[in-house]
Amino acid sequence: TQLLEQSPQFLSIQEGENLTVYCNSSSVFSSLQWYRQEPGEGPVLLVTVVTGGEVKKLKRLTFQFGDARKDSSLHITAAQPGDTGLYLCAGAKTGTASKLTFGTGTRLQVTL
Amino acid sequence: NAGVTQTPKFQVLKTGQSMTLQCAQDMNHEYMSWYRQDPGMGLRLIHYSVGAGITDQGEVPNGYNVSRSTTEDFPLRLLSAAPSQTSVYFCASSYRPSGRGTDTQYFGPGTRLTVL
Repeated sequence: TQLLEQSPQFLSIQEGENLTVYCNSSSVFSSLQWYRQEPGEGPVLLVTVVTGGEVKKLKRLTFQFGDARKDSSLHITAAQPGDTGLYLCAGAKTGTASKLTFGTGTRLQVTL
Repeated sequence: NAGVTQTPKFQVLKTGQSMTLQCAQDMNHEYMSWYRQDPGMGLRLIHYSVGAGITDQGEVPNGYNVSRSTTEDFPLRLLSAAPSQTSVYFCASSYRPSGRGTDTQYFGPGTRLTVL
């Protein structure tokens, strides 16, 4: 059972466009992380959000944790080719000792 | 620091063969885990360990064994390979188990396994 659904599954946009990726669940998580993965490599952590309603910004990337801690979004402003990759959300539940449940992934391609 | 290393990078097996995927970290991390990644399914947890001598099952443990005799190493054993185990396998580690899951997990580069 996949607890975290991401949408869209694929996204192809041109440089300079804005985009939003969604991560949704029917379960409550104590924290949620976003990772980016490039071809042939392992995922790399971008951000961790822990409080319902929390917003974190990382340069052109804005991450939000839903008020009920069941969903999250990633917004990229003025996308660049370097943003190309697979974006994965991952949730953890209280007391699960870092056991992460990963989302289905969103593959982003940014072209010139 | 080398971080998390995995060997081999690629492997082809025949159905029924056994093999061990190696994972090592040099960051003195207590928590280590194995994931498999399949198209459209993100990463799924196979087994994890919260310290030397302690292992537990994840979401998809069948067909895999692990052991943790040292802090540094966490090998994954395929007992009798099946085509359904064709996947990319990632090992990850983090400093210590966190009840809120806020630790940064560091991933290795992955092992691409094909079972014929």
